[in-house]
Amino acid sequence: DGGITQSPKYLFRKEGQNVTLSCEQNLNHDAMYWYRQDPGQGLRLIYYSQIVNDFQKGDIAEGYSVSREKKESFPLTVTSAQKNPTAFYLCASSIGLLAGNYEQYFGPGTRLTVT
Amino acid sequence: AQTVTQSQPEMSVQEAETVTLSCTYDTSESNYYLFWYKQPPSRQMILVIRQEAYKQQNATENRFSVNFQKAAKSFSLKISDSQLGDTAMYFCAFEKVQGAQKLVFGQGTRLTINP
Repeated sequence: DGGITQSPKYLFRKEGQNVTLSCEQNLNHDAMYWYRQDPGQGLRLIYYSQIVNDFQKGDIAEGYSVSREKKESFPLTVTSAQKNPTAFYLCASSIGLLAGNYEQYFGPGTRLTVT
Repeated sequence: AQTVTQSQPEMSVQEAETVTLSCTYDTSESNYYLFWYKQPPSRQMILVIRQEAYKQQNATENRFSVNFQKAAKSFSLKISDSQLGDTAMYFCAFEKVQGAQKLVFGQGTRLTINP
């Protein structure tokens, strides 16, 4: 089955530690995205990548980093510089600009708790 | 910059009733897409319906339909014959056609369908 996987579902870290969230897709999509969701708020874009080896900052990139070395993978690192990292993180993908299809498909998410 | 506003934080209706969720947006773009996403308690984001701004006809998907008013920048979602499984957070989202494919989300409406 094609889809997006995020692991783990729940992640716990101590303050001051970096942590990497995994996102893998087998949909052959060019574009991938990371969103953050806080209680009572909509999703906010952290980083996005429209093609391998290229990515851009979203609206709330501070304290986060990403890489896009493979088409299928777009890991997100939450660094110790992120002041309030506890949140629900969602990864998404889409076919890409040239396809004319603008729908984004979402993974199941990772709940990160930092204490 | 685009903004999306959902003015109803919570709504509650009885099963089989019809309910309408409101969404307004602000943009200077002439061509764009609008989406309604559903997030049930599992937190998996699911696309409910999409509307291309250049189409005058309102989109429909089974029990779900939209009322798209481009001049008023309004995009409401109507759910007919509501079912218990419709209980979820509903997010309205905007995406430009030109440039990077980035979704801008509203704050969400928590919809509860009561038996």
